[in-house]
Amino acid sequence: GENVEQHPSTLSVQEGDSAVIKCTYSDSASNYFPWYKQELGKRPQLIIDIRSNVGEKKDQRIAVTLNKTAKHFSLHITETQPEDSAVYFCAAIRITGGGNKLTFGTGTQLKVEL
Amino acid sequence: SAVISQKPSRDICQRGTSLTIQCQVDSQVTMMFWYRQQPGQSLTLIATANQGSEATYESGFVIDKFPISRPNLTFSTLTVSNMSPEDSSIYLCSVDSGNTGELFFGEGSRLTVL
Repeated sequence: GENVEQHPSTLSVQEGDSAVIKCTYSDSASNYFPWYKQELGKRPQLIIDIRSNVGEKKDQRIAVTLNKTAKHFSLHITETQPEDSAVYFCAAIRITGGGNKLTFGTGTQLKVEL
Repeated sequence: SAVISQKPSRDICQRGTSLTIQCQVDSQVTMMFWYRQQPGQSLTLIATANQGSEATYESGFVIDKFPISRPNLTFSTLTVSNMSPEDSSIYLCSVDSGNTGELFFGEGSRLTVL
């Protein structure tokens, strides 16, 4: 099955700086790579995703890059704000229709300091 | 997107007892997923609940410990049986969007076993 590794486990940045979280996956057939944000005491929510047919995707201050050859993908947050503080999870899956089971990374606790 | 309601949102349970968590979705879905999130950890899939058939359990999880019901296309329950303090976790119900891969999560049920 798929195995997803995520680094770093904790990340502290100053407000306004950039933050980068990196993930690697093992299954070369994986074709969908979402990122979830989980604020304290709340449910995980999708913030951005990328599919294997593109190398980069951007949505305002967040972007994700994918290197299929190296089997790694990264989340980039620019101009960080205190409300970006949360746990971020990457995930990977090979979509084959309905009932797709995501494999999650171990999570990164991001703290944005004033 | 799907709206998922879970209850209870939290509970404190005694060792040796069982607790059933309910999950209601606002639309019909073929499969529902149950995840466990231990304190400070990532999300681990317990089982996939299919309507009209037995649930499919992941490695390390068994039906006797986590019996699942799926009586219709909008509802599922997960029971945590014969609880011990190691079962203290957040249990999350989720559904996917079909062929896009995105997962939607319920609010989670935070169980504390004394």
